[in-house]
Amino acid sequence: KQEVTQIPAALSVPEGENLVLNCSFTDSAIYNLQWFRQDPGKGLTSLLLIQSSQREQTSGRLNASLDKSSGRSTLYIAASQPGDSATYLCAVRPGNYGQNFVFGPGTRLSVLP
Amino acid sequence: DVKVTQSSRYLVKRTGEKVFLECVQDMDHENMFWYRQDPGLGLRLIYFSYDVKMKEKGDIPEGYSVSREKKERFSLILESASTNQTSMYLCASTPLGIGNEKLFFGSGTQLSVL
Repeated sequence: KQEVTQIPAALSVPEGENLVLNCSFTDSAIYNLQWFRQDPGKGLTSLLLIQSSQREQTSGRLNASLDKSSGRSTLYIAASQPGDSATYLCAVRPGNYGQNFVFGPGTRLSVLP
Repeated sequence: DVKVTQSSRYLVKRTGEKVFLECVQDMDHENMFWYRQDPGLGLRLIYFSYDVKMKEKGDIPEGYSVSREKKERFSLILESASTNQTSMYLCASTPLGIGNEKLFFGSGTQLSVL
């Protein structure tokens, strides 16, 4: 059964720092991996999606990488800002069609001004 | 942009009441999902649907039912609300496919059962 973990559970950094969030999954047979942002009391917003055949995706200050063979993905945030403070979740779409998304528990990020 | 709309942001209900949570998406997505999110437990799938009038149980379907009479609308029903169903409920949708289909979420409904 696919399991997804995220390290660290929480992270606090000063404004301007570059940072990396980690996501690990146990079964490398995936169709894609998606990174989400969630603000307190709100729904999830999709940030980046990496297909299984891709190595990375970029959007503005965000860069997500995927190493399927090792079961790892990283979300790199450049020049962090207080507005980046939120919980970041990753989710994989397992490779068996019909299997639903499996979510990690999230990393709670605080960017201090 | 895809829009997934949940009818209520906050709901307060009494134990034993029948509760309806509504979700509408505007992008003709085939797949729709209902999750609940609790501190320390993460997101858990309640039910999902791949097509009109189709429904499949997720990981925690007990105490819930769903209805999908139209493609754009997916309703979650709590037949007799209980206090352990106090939670954040999230609806999501995605198009059919297994490649680059993003999952889009609504803004959530915080349900309190007293």
